[in-house]
Amino acid sequence: KAGVTQTPRYLIKTRGQQVTLSCSPISGHRSVSWYQQTPGQGLQFLFEYFSETQRNKGNFPGRFSGRQFSNSRSEMNVSTLELGDSALYLCASSPRGSGGQETQYFGPGTRLLVL
Amino acid sequence: QQPVQSPQAVILREGEDAVINCSSSKALYSVHWYRQKHGEAPVFLMILLKGGEQKGHEKISASFNEKKQQSSLYLTASQLSYSGTYFCGTDVSGAGSYQLTFGKGTKLSVIP
Repeated sequence: KAGVTQTPRYLIKTRGQQVTLSCSPISGHRSVSWYQQTPGQGLQFLFEYFSETQRNKGNFPGRFSGRQFSNSRSEMNVSTLELGDSALYLCASSPRGSGGQETQYFGPGTRLLVL
Repeated sequence: QQPVQSPQAVILREGEDAVINCSSSKALYSVHWYRQKHGEAPVFLMILLKGGEQKGHEKISASFNEKKQQSSLYLTASQLSYSGTYFCGTDVSGAGSYQLTFGKGTKLSVIP
């Protein structure tokens, strides 16, 4: 089975712009979670989608949004980019999203640099 | 509430052992351990569930102490390939959805 894929792998944007990142989960996986990773804060949960519905959201401003399509592919969008949004954005998938009992498989991430 | 990992960093010589701890201020439903090498995605190591047994494979194992709200990862006879940053992710809800809170990581360096 192919792993989790994320596109693009690298992105450079300027403050005020918006960006859309894409994630394709492992075939058959219906839960997709997004994380932001920075040297200072580590891995922080953004949100989780299951069957096109957002089930959980982390403590991030409304500029961060996402969606999931019927084929389980997911996108996240960040509007009005700020310098502090520079980070590695990781997507992870699991079969049913039963957090306590399932393994999450991470994609390679999208490295976003905001200038 | 972010779990606290200790130590923050450790340097080992090949063949030495290490223990990485993960402590939470909340009752834990499960603990997930991942290893991330520089420039790569986190790779799953193991899950420990509330009421479950100590887990392990090869020379890496982990325990889960529900009363102390903490988990420990044990690396024995370390190899160069064990180098990386180890993260614990905790689930305090036990709900049917996925929301892990990760510690800041423990950087492990194994030297010849």
